[in-house]
Amino acid sequence: QVQLQESGPGLVKPSQTLSLTCTVSGGSISSGGYYWSWIRQHPGKGLEWIGYIYYSGSTYYNPSLKSRVTISVDTSKNQFSLKLSSVTAADTAVYYCAGMVRGVKVFDYWGQGTLVTVSS
Amino acid sequence: IQLTQSPSSLSASVGDRVTITCRASQGISSYLAWYQQKPGKAPKLLIYAASTLQSGVPSRFSGSGSGTDFTLTISSLQPEDFATYYCQQLNSYPRITFGPGTKVDIK
Repeated sequence: QVQLQESGPGLVKPSQTLSLTCTVSGGSISSGGYYWSWIRQHPGKGLEWIGYIYYSGSTYYNPSLKSRVTISVDTSKNQFSLKLSSVTAADTAVYYCAGMVRGVKVFDYWGQGTLVTVSS
Repeated sequence: IQLTQSPSSLSASVGDRVTITCRASQGISSYLAWYQQKPGKAPKLLIYAASTLQSGVPSRFSGSGSGTDFTLTISSLQPEDFATYYCQQLNSYPRITFGPGTKVDIK
């Protein structure tokens, strides 16, 4: 059974870069069956898709965040990562990593989520 | 493509039949999925392709619709079904959007 686990700082200062890593276990990130994704949820709000990466390195980002987002993959560590630059309080959210099935384009594997607070 | 859900919240009793609607701003064929999220937990995939039940999901959940109007139905609400439900469209892939959610709580 594939499992995903987010890791990274829970507190980031305004204007700095938020960095999170998702470790995939129970399966290979290079298997080709998934797009590896980041999704966030502001406190008490709905879900916002951030972007995804394929194991080959190809990416696609939400246009509303594209100028600040970088998603990368490290197949040797079975991990993928998110960097979000120039953060503000509006970036405070629970960040989820998730696996999107390549065929049907739905998210069937999720990490538990990690709360990132942007505050000085 | 924008998604709206109605109602935004509802109160129901165990055993009730519950229907949630998701409407797309333009036609999305059957490219719609439904998720269930409980407090403090990640969303869980329930239905994809508008009406296909994800493996392991109880048969009391069903989905229908195509084009712009979709429904998620819970035939007999169980205590573990009290949660927030989100629709997700993938017609505009690679852009993914979610609906705003419908919270189902206990009457």
